[in-house]
Amino acid sequence: EVQLAESGGGLVKPGGSLRLSCAASGFSFYYAWMNWVRQAPGKGLEWVGRIKSKTDGGTTDFAASVKGRFTISRDDSKNTLDLHMNSLNTEDTGVYYCTTEWESDAFNIWGQGTMVTVSS
Amino acid sequence: DIQMTQSPSSLSASVGDRVTITCRASQGISNYLAWYQQKPGKVPKLLIYAASTLQSGVPSRFSGSGSGTHFTLTISNLQPEDFATYYCQKYNSAPFTFGPGTKVDIK
Repeated sequence: EVQLAESGGGLVKPGGSLRLSCAASGFSFYYAWMNWVRQAPGKGLEWVGRIKSKTDGGTTDFAASVKGRFTISRDDSKNTLDLHMNSLNTEDTGVYYCTTEWESDAFNIWGQGTMVTVSS
Repeated sequence: DIQMTQSPSSLSASVGDRVTITCRASQGISNYLAWYQQKPGKVPKLLIYAASTLQSGVPSRFSGSGSGTHFTLTISNLQPEDFATYYCQKYNSAPFTFGPGTKVDIK
């Protein structure tokens, strides 16, 4: 079964850092372009960033709202994806999903999400 | 960056109704447009990609159309399980911006 499972969410103070992880199974993670999408409480979906597969260069892209503060890395030997978040502010509060397109053109595989709360 | 807008932001409809949601891109995106459904507390679900291609397992009462800057999602014969929020998303190139969403609730 194709699955994504996020972990690492929690409460962090403004200005702090947090690392989220996403464990993938049931598909060829090595070839997948992986994304993070977040959703603030009661708000819509916001694409955060993407990392391409290493075969396609392994490069990253980010939303303007997080560029320079967030990074994405992947460990293809462990089928894991990480989102490294720095200089967090209250507007970063929300549920963070990892997601990918697999045998589709858009984001058809989603994890269950992990909650990040930035508050003093 | 390309901006995505949706209309209406919300609508009320009855079971059996035909519902149409519009999504517009501020610049042309060819057919690189996806539609998602999200129910409260649940994970988003891909309905349509490439503007009009139904994702496997999605009921045929959902359909999409459009190209360039103007797209529509139509739900024919609205069912109780279709009351949800719907998002469009561009995916031609990063950033993969989502529309603000359209909430469909029960009249």
